[in-house]
Amino acid sequence: GAVVSQHPSWVICKSGTSVKIECRSLDFQATTMFWYRQFPKQSLMLMATSNEGSKATYEQGVEKDKFLINHASLTLSTLTVTSAHPEDSSFYICSARPAASYNEQFFGPGTRLTVL
Amino acid sequence: AQSVTQPDIHITVSEGASLELRCNYSYGATPYLFWYVQSPGQGLQLLLKYFSGDTLVQGIKGFEAEFKRSQSSFNLRKPSVHWSDAAEYFCAVGSPAAGNKLTFGGGTRVLVKP
Repeated sequence: GAVVSQHPSWVICKSGTSVKIECRSLDFQATTMFWYRQFPKQSLMLMATSNEGSKATYEQGVEKDKFLINHASLTLSTLTVTSAHPEDSSFYICSARPAASYNEQFFGPGTRLTVL
Repeated sequence: AQSVTQPDIHITVSEGASLELRCNYSYGATPYLFWYVQSPGQGLQLLLKYFSGDTLVQGIKGFEAEFKRSQSSFNLRKPSVHWSDAAEYFCAVGSPAAGNKLTFGGGTRVLVKP
C-alpha cells in the first residue's frame, strides 16, 4: 500500500514551453501533497505544499507563477512548469500524505525534466 | 527553524563491514525523524522512522537507528552491508509545528567495495 506515482518519469522540452507533471496517490487519499526539487548530487528542497481544494503554499524563493500547482482531487496533484528554461532542468519529486496519517509522506519515483 | 546535518558527504565501506551514517538535527522539541534511501534516478524509499517511544528503531533491509536526545542525533546503522546498499541516504526531520513539512539533510553517498 501507500504507492505514489508520477507521470511522466522523464521529459525533454524546448525552452519557452510549459510542462505538466502529475502526482497520484494510487491506493490512498492524500489531503496534502508536497513538491520537491533535487539538483544533481544535492538534497531535496521543498518547493510547495498543496492541499486538496485550496491554493498551494510556496516556500520562500519559489516563483508561484513559474511553478503552478493544482491539487484538484484527493488523489491527484499537478505541477506545471511554465515557460521552462534550461535552469529549470531538475529532478522533481512529489510526496503525498495520507488523510489518516499526519506524520508520514510517501514519495513518488520522480520526474526528470530537461529543458533544451 | 528545523535543520538537519549529515556530516559525511561520502562513505566507502567494504562489503560485509558495518556502516554508520550520522545525522544531527536542530529543533526545539522532539521531532519526527526519518531515514530515506535513494538509488540513482529514483525516488525515496523510507528505511525507518521515529516518532516517540523506544529510541532504537528497526527498519527495513537490516537497518536500525538510534535517537539520542542529548546529542540531537539519529544515526543510522547496519551491521553488515551488501553491495546493493550502495545509494544515497537522506536523514529528514518533520514537526507538527511546521505542518509536518520535511527538512532534509544534505545526504550521504555510500559506496560499497567488493
